[in-house]
Amino acid sequence: QSVLTQPPSVSGAPGQRVTISCTGSSSNIGAGYDVHWYQQLPGTAPQLLISGNSNRPSGVPDRFSDSKSGTSASLAITGLRAEDEADYYCQSYDTSLTGYVFGTGTKVTVL
Amino acid sequence: QVTLRESGPALVKPTQTLTLTCTFSGFSLSTSGMCVNWIRQPPGKALEWLARIDWDDDKYYSTSLKTRLTISKDTSKNQVVLTMTNMDPVDTATYYCARIRGVSSGPGSGMDVWGQGTTVTVSS
Repeated sequence: QSVLTQPPSVSGAPGQRVTISCTGSSSNIGAGYDVHWYQQLPGTAPQLLISGNSNRPSGVPDRFSDSKSGTSASLAITGLRAEDEADYYCQSYDTSLTGYVFGTGTKVTVL
Repeated sequence: QVTLRESGPALVKPTQTLTLTCTFSGFSLSTSGMCVNWIRQPPGKALEWLARIDWDDDKYYSTSLKTRLTISKDTSKNQVVLTMTNMDPVDTATYYCARIRGVSSGPGSGMDVWGQGTTVTVSS
């Protein structure tokens, strides 16, 4: 049911860099709508990680960064740490559905 | 400090109507550009946006669920209510409410504050 596609899982050793892709279409990311990223730690509610135009809420380290091109976006985590183990979701707006859409979610594992 | 808190029944029977309340503080839903959304997450699955209500009472619904959803607000009580009719076991999920700012000129700036969620199980 998710309109935005993410890889189910990514993993990396502590200190490494991992990226999570978010693939959409011409009615959402490709239409120029902002992509937002959320981190969901086990058993907790999602938290805004990066808002559109690379805005990080207070307290989010600059190890997290985002980018967007065409109908896709990506989240990068550098200097991977054990506390980064979580599920990550992208989110945008879809003009065809006239509503918000989320990605399929990606589980990040720190080896 | 901005907070949101969901409340409602933990268990509903199939075909019943679910009523959830989001009680918030730290902001006003009468402020231009403000909105509150409902999102749900079935166990082990992805997030799904359900509905949004704006400061000016505009309402938006998921196209796949719009026939079953109604969102409303009571600005004086700082509450947003979501009703979902004809509940089915596939509607078993954790239901969240979340705020978005800046929707007066577009989709807004991301869901910056979430409630802790309320878990609803649909079973006879």
